[in-house]
Amino acid sequence: EAGVVQSPRYKIIEKKQPVAFWCNPISGHNTLYWYRQNLGQGPELLIRYENEEAVDDSQLPKDRFSAERLKGVDSTLKIQPAELGDSAVYLCASSLGQGVWETQYFGPGTRLLVL
Amino acid sequence: QKEVEQNSGPLSVPEGAIASLNCTYSDRVSQSFFWYRQYSGKSPELIMSIYSNGDKEDGRFTAQLNKASQYVSLLIRDSQPSDSATYLCAVILSSGSARQLTFGSGTQLTVLP
Repeated sequence: EAGVVQSPRYKIIEKKQPVAFWCNPISGHNTLYWYRQNLGQGPELLIRYENEEAVDDSQLPKDRFSAERLKGVDSTLKIQPAELGDSAVYLCASSLGQGVWETQYFGPGTRLLVL
Repeated sequence: QKEVEQNSGPLSVPEGAIASLNCTYSDRVSQSFFWYRQYSGKSPELIMSIYSNGDKEDGRFTAQLNKASQYVSLLIRDSQPSDSATYLCAVILSSGSARQLTFGSGTQLTVLP
């Protein structure tokens, strides 16, 4: 069974440029999460989808970040414009059920560097 | 005060020893607790979950939970060099009207051959 797929794996951009990350969850997983992990820190939740509905986006910086999960399968996270402080690893995770206690399976992440 | 606190380490133990990793959390009503392992440059991987007070054992790993003290720990027996990684404690906490899986900063463990 394929795991969570993310692309690109690495991205280097200049500040003020836009960037987008893509995630394909494990087949059949209804819940999808986007996390940001800064160096030396644990992952921090940005947004959680149950099917195509964003049920928790309280920590998503909405002035520059947007996300979508059309058709309740794959998802895109966008930053526009990027700032130096956005340099981090962006992790996508998915879980089979809809409870936050469900086991989350993480993708390999996208490592973003903003210059 | 951080909601989930861990000693950042690094923690070094000799091969074959017991590694003890500790975590405290702020929310008294939390019911679900997890330990993730993250190898350098890789994504987190769930190794243990615990929901009730007491000990839960899985192979060389034992998770211990004390809700009264708001404390959860992970013991790794017979530590191996392959156990060298960062261990993340995660707790489901209330955030506004939602509940979220909240991670600590992780403890870096090195097992010396």
